[in-house]
Amino acid sequence: NAGVTQTPKFQVLKTGQSMTLQCAQDMNHEYMSWYRQDPGMGLRLIHYSVGAGITDQGEVPNGYNVSRSTTEDFPLRLLSAAPSQTSVYFCASSYSPTSGAGNEQFFGPGTRLTVL
Amino acid sequence: AQRVTQPEKLLSVFKGAPVELKCNYSYSGSPELFWYVQYSRQRLQLLLRHISRESIKGFTADLNKGETSFHLKKPFAQEEDSAMYYCVYAGGTSYGKLTFGQGTILTVHP
Repeated sequence: NAGVTQTPKFQVLKTGQSMTLQCAQDMNHEYMSWYRQDPGMGLRLIHYSVGAGITDQGEVPNGYNVSRSTTEDFPLRLLSAAPSQTSVYFCASSYSPTSGAGNEQFFGPGTRLTVL
Repeated sequence: AQRVTQPEKLLSVFKGAPVELKCNYSYSGSPELFWYVQYSRQRLQLLLRHISRESIKGFTADLNKGETSFHLKKPFAQEEDSAMYYCVYAGGTSYGKLTFGQGTILTVHP
């Protein structure tokens, strides 16, 4: 199993450009989520999904869109990039969205995004 | 606001010394708490969870509801323990959304 994969690893954008960060998992996990990691702030939840066709907002959703058409894929779209979106983005998945042993989350390697 | 607080951004110890990474939370009820770790050039991964009451790589963490703390401890630190450590809360009714503390960078010197 490849686990959670993310592409690209690095990306530089100009202000106003749009792009999609890709995330895929091959573990048949129902729950997937996107976080951004900024110095001194830990990881903050952007959007999450509890299954195909179901998405919801996290703590910092503004400027980002998501969709979940399949169990495997959970892309994150930046609509109009801003310098404040410069960050490292992590995708995560887990077998179960609820409490218990199934909610160990598996993280992708991250995408480092710079917006100029 | 409900949150997870790690008061130390940086923590340095020498090999063989005891280490304690502090974590305090402000959620009520019965929290689900975890420690996640990110070693250099590796993915963020689960280290341990409070419900398991286990010891992983020599680390333990006890949930203290009275002090609302979940400190991570190891009696004898090793150089390979150097990493970023996050204390994490999982909302029991909010579909497993994780709330991260700010993180503590642990450096173990030889």
